[in-house]
Amino acid sequence: DIQMTQSPSSLSASVGDRVTITCQASQDISNYLNWYQQKPGKAPKLLIYDAANLETGVPSRFSGSGSGTHFTFTISSLQPEDFATYYCQQYNNLASFTFGPGTKVDIK
Amino acid sequence: QLQLQQSGPELVRPSETLSLTCSVSGGSISDPTYYWGWIRQPPGTELEWIGSIYYSGSMFSNPSLRGRVTISLDTSKNQFSLQLRSVTAADTAVYYCARQHIGTAGLDYWGQGTLVTVSS
Repeated sequence: DIQMTQSPSSLSASVGDRVTITCQASQDISNYLNWYQQKPGKAPKLLIYDAANLETGVPSRFSGSGSGTHFTFTISSLQPEDFATYYCQQYNNLASFTFGPGTKVDIK
Repeated sequence: QLQLQQSGPELVRPSETLSLTCSVSGGSISDPTYYWGWIRQPPGTELEWIGSIYYSGSMFSNPSLRGRVTISLDTSKNQFSLQLRSVTAADTAVYYCARQHIGTAGLDYWGQGTLVTVSS
């Protein structure tokens, strides 16, 4: 099984800050990685697919990069509505995929 | 606009079968571009993929659930269902249904979530 790790597990930031989250896979997954945002009591929302592609309707302050085993998710200028938990998801095998443990972004 | 509406009991007794249904509107579950999946999230913890089904009936499930999962389609009602057998307290979670793109596995539309508690 492919294991996913995320760092940090949580962070505190201010509005306007640049925020970076990393996701590491236990083996090469090419660019088969998605990123989600989840707010309390809500379903996750797809933000980035194929490591670097912005889902339709998602603001351009969100971006992703990486391939192989190391991936990065960035919010260029944190907005009040961005305080949430962010998850990566690998899909090296479409018949089986796993999520990272999440990174909680809260207000400093 | 695609919508996924979940239904099913919120309390299940240990050793029994958890059953949930996801009704899809604004799109067809026979669309070959997508799988239809179930994901769960135990309280305060991370997301876990349960399984997915294709319009052809091909089903894949998380090996960690050791064969307890069945996902089925009802194309006449445009809905799909989850059955999880022999539940224990460890199966207590918020369960979500979602649409999964076959090319990227991106889960782009989700149901509202159902908190299912396993307790006697």
